[in-house]
Amino acid sequence: EPEVTQTPSHQVTQMGQEVILRCVPISNHLYFYWYRQILGQKVEFLVSFYNNEISEKSEIFDDQFSVERPDGSNFTLKIRSTKLEDSAMYFCASSAAGRDQDTQYFGPGTRLTVL
Amino acid sequence: SQQGEEDPQALSIQEGENATMNCSYKTSINNLQWYRQNSGRGLVHLILIRSNEREKHSGRLRVTLDTSKKSSSLLITASRAADTASYFCATDPNTGNQFYFGTGTSLTVIP
Repeated sequence: EPEVTQTPSHQVTQMGQEVILRCVPISNHLYFYWYRQILGQKVEFLVSFYNNEISEKSEIFDDQFSVERPDGSNFTLKIRSTKLEDSAMYFCASSAAGRDQDTQYFGPGTRLTVL
Repeated sequence: SQQGEEDPQALSIQEGENATMNCSYKTSINNLQWYRQNSGRGLVHLILIRSNEREKHSGRLRVTLDTSKKSSSLLITASRAADTASYFCATDPNTGNQFYFGTGTSLTVIP
């Protein structure tokens, strides 16, 4: 069964460094998302992406964040200058077009630790 | 806020018993979905129920939706130890395509 994959599974970085989290969505999906989950808290929406542009973003998704689909398969989340409070699990998700768009399939997540 | 809220926050039952978790939300929705998350792992999609549906089944899962009360319930019948996980409802509001997740119910099934 096709699935969303994410790399790395765990990323440790120093405060102020840039990180890029990578995702490979399900191949025939057209909508892509990033969510984050701070330890012990709820999953929070960051951004949705369709047709090579951001379609929606939350207030969390400030200028420090950017997303890109550099080729036909990868979808990346970049954090330019990480802060301690960026430590969280970051989940990528994708969904198909049409009515099936409703179901979002999540990757296993990348645990980001900012020291 | 649109975010769903589940209750109870934690539930502990014996294997073989049924587990019921509830979710409430605030604004009108297109659909509501339930996800499971094992500790430190990703979210696994369980079931989607649309706003014009009232009940849906999938294996040992039964989901109900009451749009007049803005609430949903997830019933897991004949629970197993492997069902131990956190369960989240996620709502898809009428505008946009982001999900709003609730705080989750932590289910422990004791063998």
